Amino acid sequence: GAVVSQHPSRVICKSGTSVKIECRSLDFQATTMFWYRQFPKQSLMLMATSNEGSKATYEQGVEKDKFLINHASLTLSTLTVTSAHPEDSSFYICSADGGLAQGTQYFGPGTRLTVL
Amino acid sequence: QKEVEQDPGPLSVPEGAIVSLNCTYSNSAFQYFMWYRQYSRKGPELLMYTYSSGNKEDGRFTAQVDKSSKYISLFIRDSQPSDSATYLCASNTNAGKSTFGDGTTLTVKP
Repeated sequence: GAVVSQHPSRVICKSGTSVKIECRSLDFQATTMFWYRQFPKQSLMLMATSNEGSKATYEQGVEKDKFLINHASLTLSTLTVTSAHPEDSSFYICSADGGLAQGTQYFGPGTRLTVL
Repeated sequence: QKEVEQDPGPLSVPEGAIVSLNCTYSNSAFQYFMWYRQYSRKGPELLMYTYSSGNKEDGRFTAQVDKSSKYISLFIRDSQPSDSATYLCASNTNAGKSTFGDGTTLTVKP
């Protein structure tokens, strides 16, 4: 099956620093990737939809200047959390359009961000 | 009201039981329906997907969609401890992004 990787799997940083998370589709090309955040015991919250070669579409309430998304190629999308603060601590998960059928997504393993 | 409602559980069953997981949705435009399984501290994995109404079977798993009642179900036969996870239902129109339920946490006890 299709594999999506994320790097790093875990990051701890100081408040005020920026953190970049990479999402790669390893054996397929992904025109569309999605970025989610998930708080403990809660569901996925879609942050933005990333399309290769164009600007990301952010969900209402998500600060586009704080969560910078770049989808430079058909296999790589990056999420940069700028000037991270403790309230940004969360589990960030990316997914790629599966192409299997409309709506199917292949998820990465997630990145746990802890901001001190 | 959320577009996709899912009972969060938790649901606990003995090994070998038949498990029924359910969701309801309100958007009549939804045509594609998915079930994902998420183990603790991992990303979700796609279990099954269906288009429109009907049943789909894959091994011990059966997905069922009833568009007339806007009801989505996942049945797990002969449940195993390894099935213990959070199960997320999701629905999609033809527009790209999916709407997820909040997930049901399932524990299968040996």
